[in-house]
Amino acid sequence: DAGITQSPRYKITETGRQVTLMCHQTWSHSYMFWYRQDLGHGLRLIYYSAAADITDKGEVPDGYVVSRSKTENFPLTLESATRSQTSVYFCASSELEDGYSPLHFGNGTRLTVT
Amino acid sequence: GQNIDQPTEMTATEGAIVQINCTYQTSGFNGLFWYQQHAGEAPTFLSYNVLDGLEEKGRFSSFLSRSKGYSYLLLKELQMKDSASYLCAVKDSNYQLIWGAGTKLIIKP
Repeated sequence: DAGITQSPRYKITETGRQVTLMCHQTWSHSYMFWYRQDLGHGLRLIYYSAAADITDKGEVPDGYVVSRSKTENFPLTLESATRSQTSVYFCASSELEDGYSPLHFGNGTRLTVT
Repeated sequence: GQNIDQPTEMTATEGAIVQINCTYQTSGFNGLFWYQQHAGEAPTFLSYNVLDGLEEKGRFSSFLSRSKGYSYLLLKELQMKDSASYLCAVKDSNYQLIWGAGTKLIIKP
C-alpha cells in the first residue's frame, strides 16, 4: 500500500547510545521532513530533504544526523542519545515545496532515553 | 520572531458548534494549514487557506484574514470523534512551516 511508514513505533534506549529511526515513503515525494513533538511545543523541524542527496537543517538539528541516498528513505540518527531527546518523532513527506502541498505524516516513533 | 498562537484547550458539547482561533506573526505568508491529530496518532491534513475568506468542507470550515494575521477553524454538529488536537501552521516566505502548539478539543456528551 502507498504511504509513509516509520519504524520502530516505540524505542527505549540508554543515554549515550546511537539510535536510528527509519522512514520510508512509497509516493516518490520529493520532500521529506523529520519533526519532533513535545508537550507544550508545536512540531519542531529537525531536518528536511528536497531530494536524494540534498538535506538541510531545520530549527533543532543539534545531536541528529540524516541521510537520503534514495528518494524513498530518510533515516534519522541520534549519534549519542540524551534524555532531552526523549520525544515523539514524526517523519513526513510532501510532493512540492509550494504553498499548497500538505504534509503526509508517518505514525510516529515514541523514543524514550533513560 | 515568528509566532503562532492558539488556545491550549477548549471544551464543547456534542452536536454544538465550536470555533478554534489562530493568530500568526510570520516572515511572509504562503498559506495557512489546519491539521487534526488524535491522541497517539499522526497529524492529518484538514484544510488550506491562502486567500481571505471562508473555505467550507463538510462539517469543517476554515477562515482567513491576512490583514489581521488571523484564522479560525469552525466545527459544526460536533461528534465525539472530533475530540482531538487541532494544529494551525503557516508557510512563511521561505515555504517553511511554522506550527502552533495545538488546541486540544474536548467534546462532552
